[in-house]
Amino acid sequence: GIQVEQSPPDLILQEGANSTLRCNFSDSVNNLQWFHQNPWGQLINLFYIPSGTKQNGRLSATTVATERYSLLYISSSQTTDSGVYFCAGSSNDYKLSFGAGTTVTVRA
Amino acid sequence: GAVVSQHPSWVICKSGTSVKIECRSLDFQATTMFWYRQFPKQSLMLMATSNEGSKATYEQGVEKDKFLINHASLTLSTLTVTSAHPEDSSFYICSARAQPRSGANVLTFGAGSRLTVL
Repeated sequence: GIQVEQSPPDLILQEGANSTLRCNFSDSVNNLQWFHQNPWGQLINLFYIPSGTKQNGRLSATTVATERYSLLYISSSQTTDSGVYFCAGSSNDYKLSFGAGTTVTVRA
Repeated sequence: GAVVSQHPSWVICKSGTSVKIECRSLDFQATTMFWYRQFPKQSLMLMATSNEGSKATYEQGVEKDKFLINHASLTLSTLTVTSAHPEDSSFYICSARAQPRSGANVLTFGAGSRLTVL
């Protein structure tokens, strides 16, 4: 299956700061999603973004499919942004392979 | 939007017993559902693909006789952990593929089921 590498593994931010999370894929993907896992374990789908750029409020994501990477931007971070962010991708079988996650801690 | 419901959200059982976890797509039909397992502080690992009306396909290293999957309808898949042992304690999450009008194949995840085997 596809190998997914996420960086950084941990990120500590001061409230109001901006940050960038990165995801590299070992092969081409036609399904790429970013998730936020809340403290109770629920995976919240942030973006479905196999290519291009999308924005949703303070979050935005960009995928450069030809170079097999995706970026998640968090602007003006808030304490509620804390949690684990996962990216996941699949090729033609919809079986998502997950990265190891980035644990984000936003301090007030 | 598409909603996937899992039940129970948490369960505690004695070693040697079997536990069934249900995964339902509430407002869409899902011919395919996926079961993942997540150990503390780790990522999600795909266990198996559940196919409506046919046998599930398991990932390498996952015991099919240990983790029984049944996908009897287009809205329900069940995972049964048979003869559970403490090492089976984990967070089990299901997902299903909904196809919105845009054609995008977004996977929606349930809230997960936390299993603790004593």
